[in-house]
Amino acid sequence: AQSVTQPDIHITVSEGASLELRCNYSYGATPYLFWYVQSPGQGLQLLLKYFSGDTLVQGIKGFEAEFKRSQSSFNLRKPSVHWSDAAEYFCAVDLRENKLVFGAGTILRVKS
Amino acid sequence: DTGVSQDPRHKITKRGQNVTFRCDPISEHNRLYWYRQTLGQGPEFLTYFQNEAQLEKSRLLSDRFSAERPKGSFSTLEIQRTEQGDSAMYLCASSKQGNQPQHFGDGTRLSIL
Repeated sequence: AQSVTQPDIHITVSEGASLELRCNYSYGATPYLFWYVQSPGQGLQLLLKYFSGDTLVQGIKGFEAEFKRSQSSFNLRKPSVHWSDAAEYFCAVDLRENKLVFGAGTILRVKS
Repeated sequence: DTGVSQDPRHKITKRGQNVTFRCDPISEHNRLYWYRQTLGQGPEFLTYFQNEAQLEKSRLLSDRFSAERPKGSFSTLEIQRTEQGDSAMYLCASSKQGNQPQHFGDGTRLSIL
Protein backbone atom coordinates (compact mmCIF):
# COMPACT_ATOMS: atom_id res chain seq x y z
CA ALA A 1 0.00 0.00 0.00
CA GLN A 2 1.12 3.55 -0.64
CA SER A 3 2.23 5.18 2.60
CA VAL A 4 4.59 7.42 4.52
CA THR A 5 6.32 5.78 7.45
CA GLN A 6 8.00 7.43 10.38
CA PRO A 7 9.28 4.43 12.34
CA ASP A 8 10.02 6.28 15.57
CA ILE A 9 7.03 7.49 17.57
CA HIS A 10 9.22 9.11 20.25
CA ILE A 11 12.88 10.09 20.27
CA THR A 12 14.78 11.55 23.21
CA VAL A 13 18.14 13.26 22.73
CA SER A 14 20.36 15.31 24.97
CA GLU A 15 20.74 18.99 24.27
CA GLY A 16 23.74 19.50 22.02
CA ALA A 17 23.59 15.98 20.61
CA SER A 18 22.94 15.22 16.96
CA LEU A 19 19.54 14.19 15.69
CA GLU A 20 18.24 12.06 12.85
CA LEU A 21 14.53 11.47 12.26
CA ARG A 22 13.63 8.79 9.76
CA CYS A 23 11.07 8.91 6.99
CA ASN A 24 10.34 6.30 4.32
CA TYR A 25 7.72 6.37 1.60
CA SER A 26 6.32 3.67 -0.62
CA TYR A 27 5.26 5.15 -3.93
CA GLY A 28 6.27 4.22 -7.43
CA ALA A 29 7.35 7.66 -8.55
CA THR A 30 9.51 10.10 -6.62
CA PRO A 31 7.15 12.46 -4.84
CA TYR A 32 7.83 15.93 -3.62
CA LEU A 33 9.02 15.65 -0.02
CA PHE A 34 8.59 17.86 3.01
CA TRP A 35 9.32 18.07 6.70
CA TYR A 36 7.04 20.07 8.99
CA VAL A 37 7.29 20.77 12.72
CA GLN A 38 4.35 21.21 15.09
CA SER A 39 4.46 22.60 18.62
CA PRO A 40 1.61 21.64 20.98
CA GLY A 41 -1.67 23.30 20.04
CA GLN A 42 -0.15 24.94 16.99
CA GLY A 43 -0.24 24.47 13.26
CA LEU A 44 2.54 23.07 11.12
CA GLN A 45 5.63 25.03 10.17
CA LEU A 46 7.55 24.09 7.04
CA LEU A 47 11.17 23.15 7.80
CA LEU A 48 12.33 22.18 4.32
CA LYS A 49 11.27 20.75 0.98
CA TYR A 50 12.65 18.64 -1.85
CA PHE A 51 11.35 18.89 -5.39
CA SER A 52 14.35 17.90 -7.50
CA GLY A 53 18.06 18.49 -7.91
CA ASP A 54 20.56 18.37 -5.06
CA THR A 55 19.53 15.54 -2.75
CA LEU A 56 20.78 17.32 0.36
CA VAL A 57 18.47 20.18 1.22
CA GLN A 58 18.91 22.84 3.85
CA GLY A 59 16.04 24.22 5.87
CA ILE A 60 15.30 26.63 8.65
CA LYS A 61 16.53 26.36 12.23
CA GLY A 62 19.67 24.48 11.21
CA PHE A 63 17.86 21.41 9.87
CA GLU A 64 18.80 19.50 6.75
CA ALA A 65 17.42 16.43 5.01
CA GLU A 66 18.81 13.98 2.49
CA PHE A 67 16.76 12.29 -0.20
CA LYS A 68 17.94 8.76 -1.01
CA ARG A 69 16.05 7.36 -3.97
CA SER A 70 17.44 3.83 -3.56
CA GLN A 71 16.11 3.67 -0.01
CA SER A 72 12.93 5.70 -0.61
CA SER A 73 13.96 7.78 2.38
CA PHE A 74 14.06 11.43 3.33
CA ASN A 75 15.66 11.61 6.77
CA LEU A 76 15.85 14.84 8.75
CA ARG A 77 19.05 15.76 10.57
CA LYS A 78 20.41 18.41 12.87
CA PRO A 79 23.99 18.41 14.14
CA SER A 80 23.27 19.95 17.55
CA VAL A 81 19.81 19.95 19.11
CA HIS A 82 18.52 22.84 21.22
CA TRP A 83 15.87 22.56 23.93
CA SER A 84 13.55 24.67 21.75
CA ASP A 85 13.56 21.91 19.11
CA ALA A 86 11.29 19.77 21.27
CA ALA A 87 8.14 19.32 19.20
CA GLU A 88 6.47 16.84 16.87
CA TYR A 89 7.94 16.39 13.42
CA PHE A 90 6.01 15.24 10.37
CA CYS A 91 7.29 13.96 7.07
CA ALA A 92 4.94 14.52 4.13
CA VAL A 93 4.82 13.65 0.44
CA ASP A 94 3.05 15.30 -2.46
CA LEU A 95 2.25 12.99 -5.35
CA ARG A 96 1.47 15.96 -7.58
CA GLU A 97 -2.18 15.38 -6.78
CA ASN A 98 -2.48 18.67 -4.91
CA LYS A 99 -2.63 17.11 -1.47
CA LEU A 100 -0.10 16.11 1.15
CA VAL A 101 0.10 12.65 2.69
CA PHE A 102 1.64 12.74 6.15
CA GLY A 103 3.41 10.23 8.31
CA ALA A 104 2.17 9.67 11.85
CA GLY A 105 4.83 11.95 13.30
CA THR A 106 7.81 11.66 15.64
CA ILE A 107 7.75 13.38 19.02
CA LEU A 108 11.16 14.79 19.92
CA ARG A 109 12.07 15.25 23.56
CA VAL A 110 15.26 17.09 24.50
CA LYS A 111 17.05 16.35 27.77
CA SER A 112 18.99 19.14 29.40
CA ASP B 1 2.90 38.00 4.59
CA THR B 2 0.49 37.70 7.52
CA GLY B 3 0.22 33.92 7.33
CA VAL B 4 -2.82 31.68 7.24
CA SER B 5 -5.43 32.69 9.79
CA GLN B 6 -8.07 30.38 11.27
CA ASP B 7 -11.04 31.25 13.44
CA PRO B 8 -12.00 30.20 16.03
CA ARG B 9 -8.96 28.58 17.63
CA HIS B 10 -11.14 26.42 19.83
CA LYS B 11 -14.76 25.32 19.56
CA ILE B 12 -16.66 23.28 22.12
CA THR B 13 -20.13 22.17 21.19
CA LYS B 14 -22.71 19.55 22.01
CA ARG B 15 -23.27 16.53 19.84
CA GLY B 16 -25.82 17.23 17.13
CA GLN B 17 -25.02 20.94 16.78
CA ASN B 18 -23.69 22.55 13.63
CA VAL B 19 -20.33 24.31 13.58
CA THR B 20 -18.58 26.52 11.04
CA PHE B 21 -14.89 27.34 10.82
CA ARG B 22 -13.22 30.07 8.81
CA CYS B 23 -9.85 30.17 7.08
CA ASP B 24 -8.16 33.22 5.58
CA PRO B 25 -5.25 32.17 3.35
CA ILE B 26 -2.12 34.11 2.53
CA SER B 27 -3.36 36.83 0.21
CA GLU B 28 -1.59 35.89 -3.02
CA HIS B 29 -2.24 32.14 -2.65
CA ASN B 30 -4.91 30.80 -4.98
CA ARG B 31 -4.95 27.26 -3.54
CA LEU B 32 -6.56 26.45 -0.22
CA TYR B 33 -6.65 23.11 1.59
CA TRP B 34 -8.46 21.62 4.58
CA TYR B 35 -6.99 18.82 6.68
CA ARG B 36 -8.15 17.02 9.82
CA GLN B 37 -5.75 15.86 12.52
CA THR B 38 -6.73 13.52 15.32
CA LEU B 39 -4.67 12.90 18.43
CA GLY B 40 -1.43 11.07 17.74
CA GLN B 41 -1.83 11.16 13.97
CA GLY B 42 -0.61 13.22 11.09
CA PRO B 43 -3.03 15.50 9.25
CA GLU B 44 -5.37 13.88 6.71
CA PHE B 45 -6.50 15.64 3.56
CA LEU B 46 -10.16 16.64 3.37
CA THR B 47 -10.56 18.94 0.36
CA TYR B 48 -8.91 21.63 -1.71
CA PHE B 49 -9.85 24.68 -3.74
CA GLN B 50 -8.20 26.43 -6.60
CA ASN B 51 -9.62 29.92 -6.52
CA GLU B 52 -13.35 29.40 -5.88
CA ALA B 53 -13.54 25.93 -7.42
CA GLN B 54 -13.54 22.90 -5.13
CA LEU B 55 -11.46 20.45 -7.13
CA GLU B 56 -11.16 17.43 -4.87
CA LYS B 57 -12.89 15.96 -1.85
CA SER B 58 -11.65 13.08 0.25
CA ARG B 59 -13.92 10.19 1.12
CA LEU B 60 -13.34 11.36 4.70
CA LEU B 61 -15.58 14.30 3.89
CA SER B 62 -19.00 12.81 4.62
CA ASP B 63 -22.22 14.48 3.52
CA ARG B 64 -22.37 16.26 6.89
CA PHE B 65 -19.31 18.28 5.87
CA SER B 66 -19.37 21.12 3.40
CA ALA B 67 -16.67 23.57 2.39
CA GLU B 68 -16.96 26.75 0.41
CA ARG B 69 -14.69 29.43 -0.94
CA PRO B 70 -17.20 31.80 -2.47
CA LYS B 71 -14.95 34.55 -3.82
CA GLY B 72 -11.71 32.67 -4.04
CA SER B 73 -10.42 34.29 -0.87
CA PHE B 74 -11.48 33.00 2.57
CA SER B 75 -13.02 29.58 3.03
CA THR B 76 -15.51 28.06 5.45
CA LEU B 77 -15.85 24.48 6.61
CA GLU B 78 -19.21 23.53 8.08
CA ILE B 79 -20.01 20.36 9.96
CA GLN B 80 -23.69 19.56 10.44
CA ARG B 81 -25.11 17.32 13.19
CA THR B 82 -21.72 16.92 14.86
CA GLU B 83 -20.73 13.53 16.24
CA GLN B 84 -18.18 12.50 18.85
CA GLY B 85 -15.86 11.29 16.11
CA ASP B 86 -15.66 14.79 14.66
CA SER B 87 -13.49 15.89 17.59
CA ALA B 88 -10.18 16.84 16.01
CA MET B 89 -7.94 19.70 14.96
CA TYR B 90 -9.04 21.17 11.64
CA LEU B 91 -6.13 22.68 9.75
CA CYS B 92 -6.22 25.02 6.80
CA ALA B 93 -3.30 25.53 4.42
CA SER B 94 -2.69 27.63 1.35
CA SER B 95 -0.20 27.72 -1.48
CA LYS B 96 0.54 29.35 -4.78
CA GLN B 97 -0.15 27.37 -7.92
CA GLY B 98 2.61 25.09 -9.19
CA ASN B 99 5.38 23.39 -7.25
CA GLN B 100 4.90 25.43 -4.12
CA PRO B 101 4.79 24.28 -0.49
CA GLN B 102 1.67 24.54 1.61
CA HIS B 103 1.64 26.94 4.54
CA PHE B 104 -0.55 26.04 7.49
CA GLY B 105 -2.62 27.99 9.96
CA ASP B 106 -2.73 27.24 13.67
CA GLY B 107 -5.90 25.21 13.31
CA THR B 108 -9.31 25.05 14.97
CA ARG B 109 -9.62 22.48 17.73
CA LEU B 110 -13.14 21.05 17.87
CA SER B 111 -14.36 19.27 20.99
CA ILE B 112 -17.73 17.53 20.97
CA LEU B 113 -19.37 17.05 24.37
